[in-house]
Amino acid sequence: QVQLQESGPGLVKPSETLSLTCAVSGYSISSGYYWGWIRQPPGKGLEWIGSIYHSGSTYYNPSLKSRVTISVDTSKNQFSLKLSSVTAADTAVYYCARHESRGGDDYFDYWGQGTLVTVSS
Amino acid sequence: AIQLTQSPSSLSASVGDRVTITCRASQGISSALAWYQQKPGKAPKLLIYDASSLESGVPSRFSGSGSGTDFTLTISSLQPEDFATYYCQQFNSYPHTFGPGTKVDIK
Repeated sequence: QVQLQESGPGLVKPSETLSLTCAVSGYSISSGYYWGWIRQPPGKGLEWIGSIYHSGSTYYNPSLKSRVTISVDTSKNQFSLKLSSVTAADTAVYYCARHESRGGDDYFDYWGQGTLVTVSS
Repeated sequence: AIQLTQSPSSLSASVGDRVTITCRASQGISSALAWYQQKPGKAPKLLIYDASSLESGVPSRFSGSGSGTDFTLTISSLQPEDFATYYCQQFNSYPHTFGPGTKVDIK
């Protein structure tokens, strides 16, 4: 069974960098798939942040592209999100998820439980 | 970026009702659409992919249809565990935008 688990600080100061890691179990990242980050501000909808292929190719939401870096560490079977220059608007629950993209079928099928990151001084 | 709109934004229904939610794309996306169910405090759960393919393990009362710009999610007979918020997401092009959601609550 594929499982994903986000980890990282729950509180980040304005202007600093948000850093989260997603540990994957039950599947080897180096075997394939894309891996993505999605966020959800409290009481609001979902926003796709970006996805990374197991080889390292990345795709980012243009609205965040200048501040986002997603990377993968196949040796630790995990991938990471860095979001720089955060403001209160970046306060959200951050989810990591597996992104299937094969034969024209695309979807996020396995999700982490989510982690709330609050931006506040 | 492709924009997705959902209607209605919320609805009240009773157990046993047939419920239909619509997702409309600002431009054609072929069948590159997925539907998710989200309950409070939980991660979204995949229901439908490729507009009409039912994810393994999802009850058959859920179905999806459509292509191009207009899509629907139908729950044939609403069950107590179906009260949740439903989101569509397009995968035709980056960014992979989500719709704003439709909240289904108890009448």
